[in-house]
Amino acid sequence: AQTVTQSQPEMSVQEAETVTLSCTYDTSESNYYLFWYKQPPSRQMILVIRQEAYKQQNATENRFSVNFQKAAKSFSLKISDSQLGDTAMYFCAFMNTNTGNQFYFGTGTSLTVIP
Amino acid sequence: EPEVTQTPSHQVTQMGQEVILRCVPISNHLYFYWYRQILGQKVEFLVSFYNNEISEKSEIFDDQFSVERPDGSNFTLKIRSTKLEDSAMYFCASGDWGADTQYFGPGTRLTVL
Repeated sequence: AQTVTQSQPEMSVQEAETVTLSCTYDTSESNYYLFWYKQPPSRQMILVIRQEAYKQQNATENRFSVNFQKAAKSFSLKISDSQLGDTAMYFCAFMNTNTGNQFYFGTGTSLTVIP
Repeated sequence: EPEVTQTPSHQVTQMGQEVILRCVPISNHLYFYWYRQILGQKVEFLVSFYNNEISEKSEIFDDQFSVERPDGSNFTLKIRSTKLEDSAMYFCASGDWGADTQYFGPGTRLTVL
C-alpha cells in the first residue's frame, strides 16, 4: 500500500522568506506521480506543482519548486519569497496509475505566512 | 480557465436521509473521482469512474454510496441513508485522457444532523 507522510503539522514563515515543507512516501512502484496541493481557508484544493517520478529534473512553478529524491522517497516543497496568500494547508499526494489513478494524501502541513 | 464545479456548496440533512452531491467536471476530461475530507483529517479517496463505470473504489465506498454520470456533463455521488459519520467535505475531481493530474472542485460540505 502507498503511504504519504508529512511530519510537520504546522509551520510558519516571515513574509518574503523561504520555507520548505517535507513529504516522504512509501511505494514499491517505480513509475508514479507526486503532487503538492494547497487548501486555503476556502477549502478548495488547488494544484501547486506536479512531478513525474521518471523525470530526474525537479519541477518548478514560479516561486514553488520541489526537491525530489527518488531513492530516499522524499518530495519536499520549497516556497520562495513567501506571500500572505500562501497561508494555507498544504497536502502532498501520490498517484500510481496501477491503482486506478487514485490519490493518496498526506495529513497536511498548515503554513502561516507572518507579515 | 476551465474549472470543476460542485453544487451545493453546503448541504445539511437529517440522519437517514438520502443526499445527492453534484459535480460538473472539466468538459473534455474522461476520469472522474470523489474524495472526502472529514474535518481536521486528510483527504481520502472514495471512488474513480471511467468509461461509464467504476474503476476503483475504497473501503469507505460501501453499498450506501453510488455514483452516476446521468448525462454528458454531470457526475453525481449519492448517499442513500446518511449517517452522522458521513459529515465531511466531499470533493469531486476530474482528469484528462492521460489521467496523470486531477483537478479538484471547491467541495460540498455535508452536515448530517
